[in-house]
Amino acid sequence: DVKVTQSSRYLVKRTGEKVFLECVQDMDHENMFWYRQDPGLGLRLIYFSYDVKMKEKGDIPEGYSVSREKKERFSLILESASTNQTSMYLCASSPPDRKKLFFGSGTQLSVL
Amino acid sequence: DQQVKQNSPSLSVQEGRISILNCDYTNSMFDYFLWYKKYPAEGPTFLISISSIKDKNEDGRFTVFLNKSAKHLSLHIVPSQPGDSAVYFCAATNNDMRFGAGTRLTVKP
Repeated sequence: DVKVTQSSRYLVKRTGEKVFLECVQDMDHENMFWYRQDPGLGLRLIYFSYDVKMKEKGDIPEGYSVSREKKERFSLILESASTNQTSMYLCASSPPDRKKLFFGSGTQLSVL
Repeated sequence: DQQVKQNSPSLSVQEGRISILNCDYTNSMFDYFLWYKKYPAEGPTFLISISSIKDKNEDGRFTVFLNKSAKHLSLHIVPSQPGDSAVYFCAATNNDMRFGAGTRLTVKP
């Protein structure tokens, strides 16, 4: 059974902390994505990566960075967490055509 | 600028009846459309898709209709079951996938 695994289901952090969200996929997919889901706004793309060490900004990259050192792993970094980054974070992967995304279970992050 | 819009935040239907979820898009370059289903505390899972060269795709109880001239697609669920209660996201892509805000479907027994 193919899988996208996010390391934490729930996280509580304080304002100003550096936060790491980890994602691992076992489908050998080239593309990996980070989205955030907020009520009334749907899923918004933060960053995506189409290859190891390659990254592209999505629609809302401000306040975030990413790292992809290995094909199967894609990390989202909040350099200095703020309360407006409280959200559900979803990692996804896809084959090269990007026609279908496979999602992890999500990480609910609360920044206090 | 939301390129994919789901104007109904919620929908409630009786078990056994039809559920119709709607989605509108603005970008005529989209060539592939999908519906995802999301349960609480889980990630979205793929439900059904349709290419822009078709106007209908069926998979069991789920049918997606595409009206390109109106830039509109819809998901029909017949018959609706309580287990269908979830948030449904419409998505469209031409390389970059864009999602709607979601519609929460409640199917009452």
